[in-house]
Amino acid sequence: DIQMTQSPSTLSASVGDRVTITCRANQSISTWLAWYQQKPGKAPNLLIYKASSLESGVPSRFRGSGSGTEFTLTISSLQPDDFATYYCQQYYSYSYTFGQGTKVEIK
Amino acid sequence: QVQVVESGGGVVQPGGSLRLSCATSGFTFTRYGMHWVRQAPGKGLEWVAFIRYDGSNKYYADSVKGRFTISRDDSKNTLYLQMNSLRIEDMAVYYCAKDSWFGESGLDYWGQGTLVTVSS
Repeated sequence: DIQMTQSPSTLSASVGDRVTITCRANQSISTWLAWYQQKPGKAPNLLIYKASSLESGVPSRFRGSGSGTEFTLTISSLQPDDFATYYCQQYYSYSYTFGQGTKVEIK
Repeated sequence: QVQVVESGGGVVQPGGSLRLSCATSGFTFTRYGMHWVRQAPGKGLEWVAFIRYDGSNKYYADSVKGRFTISRDDSKNTLYLQMNSLRIEDMAVYYCAKDSWFGESGLDYWGQGTLVTVSS
C-alpha cells in the first residue's frame, strides 16, 4: 500500500507568514495528489488537485507543487481563515491514502 | 448545487451492525464514483471505501475489508455503507464524498458526516 507522510504535524505561524507543508509518498504517485483543508467540526474541503491545480473558489494564496514522491502545499500569506488542519491524499491507487494531517496554529 | 447528506449513524454495541446512507442531489449520480471516509475522535482522515460510477468495482481499506460493504441505488441517488461486526476502533464520524470526473481531481464534495459510536 502507498503510505503518505506529512510534515510537520503542527505548525505555529502568524497572520501574513508564508507557510509550507510537505507530503511524501513511499512510491511514485505521479501528480495524483490532492490537498484538503478541515476546520473543527466541519467536513474537509478540497483545495488542490493533481498536485498543483487550484480548485474553483479557492484563494490564489494556496499553491501546490511537486510530483513523484514529494509534494508541498504553500500558503503565501497566512490569513485568519487559514488556521485549520491540512491533509494530503493520494489517488494514484485504490487505497486513496491520506497523510496524517498538519495543524496550522496561531503563533 | 451539489448536496451530499449522510444519515444512519448512532450507538451500536461491539459486534453489531449499522447501515449508513448518503442521499445526493445536484449532479448526475450515475456518472460519478462515491467514497466513504471516516475520522475517529481527535484523529485524522481514513479512507474507507469506493464504488465506481456504475457499481462494477468496489474497493476497501484493509481495516474494513470483509466487514463493510459499499453499495449504491441509482434510482434513489443514494450511497450506502453496510457495517457488520463493528469494533470499538470503527467509532468515528463517517463522511460520504463525491469523486471528481473520472477521479482526476480528488474528492470534490463532502457531506457533513454522521457519527457512529461503538460502545457496550
